Amino acid sequence: ETGVTQTPRHLVMGMTNKKSLKCEQHLGHNAMYWYKQSAKKPLELMFVYSLEERVENNSVPSRFSPECPNSSHLFLHLHTLQPEDSALYLCASSQAQGLAGPYEQYFGPGTRLTVT
Amino acid sequence: AQSVTQLGSHVSVSEGALVLLRCNYSSSVPPYLFWYVQYPNQGLQLLLKYTSAATLVKGINGFEAEFKKSETSFHLTKPSAHMSDAAEYFCAVSTDTGGFKTIFGAGTRLFVKA
Repeated sequence: ETGVTQTPRHLVMGMTNKKSLKCEQHLGHNAMYWYKQSAKKPLELMFVYSLEERVENNSVPSRFSPECPNSSHLFLHLHTLQPEDSALYLCASSQAQGLAGPYEQYFGPGTRLTVT
Repeated sequence: AQSVTQLGSHVSVSEGALVLLRCNYSSSVPPYLFWYVQYPNQGLQLLLKYTSAATLVKGINGFEAEFKKSETSFHLTKPSAHMSDAAEYFCAVSTDTGGFKTIFGAGTRLFVKA
């Protein structure tokens, strides 16, 4: 595997289910991100982890719970979601930000989530 | 605070015509600027980035963008559109004081007509 992979690619879940999204990066990066992409809305940053420590949490509802067990893996645990949470969830990775300025992010293909 | 505005949610060009996708930014400190492309059923892919070196930045697939501080713009151009350029394009801004926060524009979908 190369780049950033995400599983599953598609997920349909009921509002009472619990599921997890998985992201893995094979680029040697040490920062990982979760974004939500909804139709006709800008990309929304949800969480950022740098060196396995959460550094950004953009007022995301508690029904979304991230986990970063190591610098290569990132999870998004989902429970009691709402229909408005249906979206494409994108994972990205980058070098940790430093004196050389922000680094570009490498994105996975996303998980298309539908909440019924 | 930073922000990005992409003018035009949809742009349609004929194959072989000039592609121009507009991006204006707002930043209180020198910005870093990016253009990403998203093909159907894929994640975003970096096209090019501006990090305060040359103001004219060349990217992949024949795209380039020019940083104009006086106009706070970073428009994306390609001299001759190809059918394979049909995708959604995102302009993004970040700063070295912004931590990990990169602000993305709403995107411009490019249609290429045969």
